[in-house]
Amino acid sequence: AQSVSQHNHHVILSEAASLELGCNYSYGGTVNLFWYVQYPGQHLQLLLKYFSGDPLVKGIKGFEAEFIKSKFSFNLRKPSVQWSDTAEYFCAVNKNNQGGKLIFGQGTELSVKP
Amino acid sequence: DGGITQSPKYLFRKEGQNVTLSCEQNLNHDAMYWYRQDPGQGLRLIYYSQIVNDFQKGDIAEGYSVSREKKESFPLTVTSAQKNPTAFYLCASSIDSRSTDTQYFGPGTRLTVL
Repeated sequence: AQSVSQHNHHVILSEAASLELGCNYSYGGTVNLFWYVQYPGQHLQLLLKYFSGDPLVKGIKGFEAEFIKSKFSFNLRKPSVQWSDTAEYFCAVNKNNQGGKLIFGQGTELSVKP
Repeated sequence: DGGITQSPKYLFRKEGQNVTLSCEQNLNHDAMYWYRQDPGQGLRLIYYSQIVNDFQKGDIAEGYSVSREKKESFPLTVTSAQKNPTAFYLCASSIDSRSTDTQYFGPGTRLTVL
């Protein structure tokens, strides 16, 4: 079955550590890729998205993600995390011919220790 | 103050009862979506609507029903046929249903069936 996989369910880091959250998908063809974030007590919101052009995408709050088509991956990175990055992160994918139908990964909970 | 509202925040129902979750948006978006979020499973699409008076089933539509009589409203009914209705329900909207559109999420309704 077509799916989106996030490798890490819970990641614990100290402030200033570097972050990389994995995301792989199993769809063929042209896809659009998203990372959403859910901070404690807040709405799910868009962190960044890729649909064409430069495969290295920059988002809000210093996050970036790289689309590697050959690896079916869209990993999220941040060079130095802050306590305020504590949240749940979701990778999502849709296919160009399926409109707004997003398929989400399982989510990764990030805890940053001050 | 533009956005998506969902009410109520918490909802308790007895087994066998239908219950309707409210979702309203004042963003003038054409497309609206309902997702279900369960721990460790990410978000799964229940129903979506690309335009008023039109809606399509998502990946887990069984036991749910929707209506889209007004552009700003997309209520979800959880029927007694839904075998495991206890979950966190999220509503979202986007400008239209293009696959590259950002989806904007509401605060969610946590439904508990006793």
